[in-house]
Amino acid sequence: ETGVTQSPTHLIKTRGQQVTLRCSSQSGHNTVSWYQQALGQGPQFIFQYYREEENGRGNFPPRFSGLQFPNYSSELNVNALELDDSALYLCASSLSGRGYNEQFFGPGTRLTVL
Amino acid sequence: AQTVTQSQPEMSVQEAETVTLSCTYDTSESDYYLFWYKQPPSRQMILVIRQEAYKQQNATENRFSVNFQKAAKSFSLKISDSQLGDAAMYFCAYRWAGNNRKLIWGLGTSLAVNP
Repeated sequence: ETGVTQSPTHLIKTRGQQVTLRCSSQSGHNTVSWYQQALGQGPQFIFQYYREEENGRGNFPPRFSGLQFPNYSSELNVNALELDDSALYLCASSLSGRGYNEQFFGPGTRLTVL
Repeated sequence: AQTVTQSQPEMSVQEAETVTLSCTYDTSESDYYLFWYKQPPSRQMILVIRQEAYKQQNATENRFSVNFQKAAKSFSLKISDSQLGDAAMYFCAYRWAGNNRKLIWGLGTSLAVNP
């Protein structure tokens, strides 16, 4: 069973640029959630995708967008990067449905915006 | 809105001793889950233990146990026989038991284990 993977590991961008982060979910999982973890903070929920549709969104502006593909992998896109977007971006995959289904986290992508 | 509060930014414990990390939360929901996650320097978020709100019995996983006080909305983590490998950031998190997988997190507690 393959775990959750994310790419790239590290990324440096300049203010105003656009970035795409990628996440491959664990085998059999159909739901992907994205979180932003600023330095010294707890993660903040960005959004969740289920069967290629956004299924819940946190308090993030529209320049944060995402995609989920038929194989349930996912992308997080951030346009017009700002200095405050510097953070660790985590994705987590799980099965959908009511009840407990454990979320498995990837190792994260560290984004630095200069 | 649901919130999770961890009031201890840093804690330390001697190897082989016991330490308790505190967490309080606020929610109007009756059906939810509570979690403790560990984040070592490698950044990988690892689930330590979970508690279902409808269960009165406190969850236990080997050296890790929780004290779940539903009425007080308190959810503390006890680590027994602390080991050097337990050193990490520990996050308390809440999730409603519905379809949404959104986790709400505390700010974390940095745990140091002294040899």
